[in-house]
Amino acid sequence: GQSLEQPSEVTAVEGAIVQINCTYQTSGFYGLSWYQQHDGGAPTFLSYNALDGLEETGRFSSFLSRSDSYGYLLLQELQMKDSASYFCAVRDMGRRALTFGSGTRLQVQP
Amino acid sequence: ETGVTQSPTHLIKTRGQQVTLRCSSQSGHNTVSWYQQALGQGPQFIFQYYREEENGRGNFPPRFSGLQFPNYSSELNVNALELDDSALYLCASSGGTGSAGELFFGEGSRLTVL
Repeated sequence: GQSLEQPSEVTAVEGAIVQINCTYQTSGFYGLSWYQQHDGGAPTFLSYNALDGLEETGRFSSFLSRSDSYGYLLLQELQMKDSASYFCAVRDMGRRALTFGSGTRLQVQP
Repeated sequence: ETGVTQSPTHLIKTRGQQVTLRCSSQSGHNTVSWYQQALGQGPQFIFQYYREEENGRGNFPPRFSGLQFPNYSSELNVNALELDDSALYLCASSGGTGSAGELFFGEGSRLTVL
């Protein structure tokens, strides 16, 4: 089976940088994804790491280390609208279904 | 391009009843998956359909069943509702040209079981 661990809550101030870590245990997977979900909204895709290393998309970057079973999401130049829950997820081998972590609630303060 | 749409958005049922939730997948996507999200938790995979066949299932009992239609829309049926079934039910589609780890979610159907 798959299991993912991430911090339950993170607080940061506007303009700062925050890193949300994710460690996982899995018998095999294709890659690590990150999703953002605002209260009452749908999860929306942020990034996907199939290979080790850093992927950058605007203010967001994501990192994966398969040897350490570890990844993180880095958010730069935080804005109030970044206040949301962030989920890491692994895609199981053989299908497109995802196993999600329990989520990290990010609170951005002025 | 039309996104993933789900109906109804909210519904209330009583224990023991049955419910059907509906999903229209994003244009060009042939794979639909359903997730259950309890309050404060991550989405939990229920099952996935590809070209009208179930091709993956999570740890949910048989009273959770589904269908996918030729136009790739889908239904989730839950029989003999229990209080713990109260959750947000999310439909996600994939199969287009997006990233391998990318699912497109609908806004969900919030089910309350009394």
